Amino acid sequence: DAKTTQPPSMDCAEGRAANLPCNHSTISGNEYVYWYRQIHSQGPQYIIHGLKNNETNEMASLIITEDRKSSTLILPHATLRDTAVYYCIVKAGGTSYGKLTFGQGTILTVHP
Amino acid sequence: GAGVSQSPSNKVTEKGKDVELRCDPISGHTALYWYRQSLGQGLEFLIYFQGNSAPDKSGLPSDRFSAERTGGSVSTLTIQRTQQEDSAVYLCASSLELGALNTEAFFGQGTRLTVV
Repeated sequence: DAKTTQPPSMDCAEGRAANLPCNHSTISGNEYVYWYRQIHSQGPQYIIHGLKNNETNEMASLIITEDRKSSTLILPHATLRDTAVYYCIVKAGGTSYGKLTFGQGTILTVHP
Repeated sequence: GAGVSQSPSNKVTEKGKDVELRCDPISGHTALYWYRQSLGQGLEFLIYFQGNSAPDKSGLPSDRFSAERTGGSVSTLTIQRTQQEDSAVYLCASSLELGALNTEAFFGQGTRLTVV
């Protein structure tokens, strides 16, 4: 699996956009980028995923660079409840199953 | 069911005892995963099921750990002769298809195991 690199922590003011970067320079052509988050004491929650096009859903937007070596998760209007650990994951491709390999993630703290 | 259900939510056991953790995946999900998360740590993959078979057991930390899945649905993770280092939150996840790259996994709330 391609590895990902994320900053260990970030801060964001409530109501502002939170932009979480992820580097995945060894990603292969058939691997998707997934984002999950884990709020304290809960199981991880799926946020969004993409292959090469930018994606948007009700939770967030995902911007993937043209060379696919990095991506940014955008929470457009962060709230205090968005405080969590955010994981950027590149999912196994080919004939492999979709095992998720979690790194250390980014601890996002949203403050008033 | 509406989501992945795990039971019990909390389990305290004495060192040396066996424990069983249960996972009910989302109905129709063929893939099932077990992960472990120790305090303050990331998620550690344990085992993957496709249907009732487990093609990847590479994450099981020792032969004290085993898992089974019956009827392509419920899975049980068994830890024999528990040790204090087994204390962690055990998370189960399920997803729709094998090898499909664009399906997401849904996680349960986990079982918090404490070995005293």
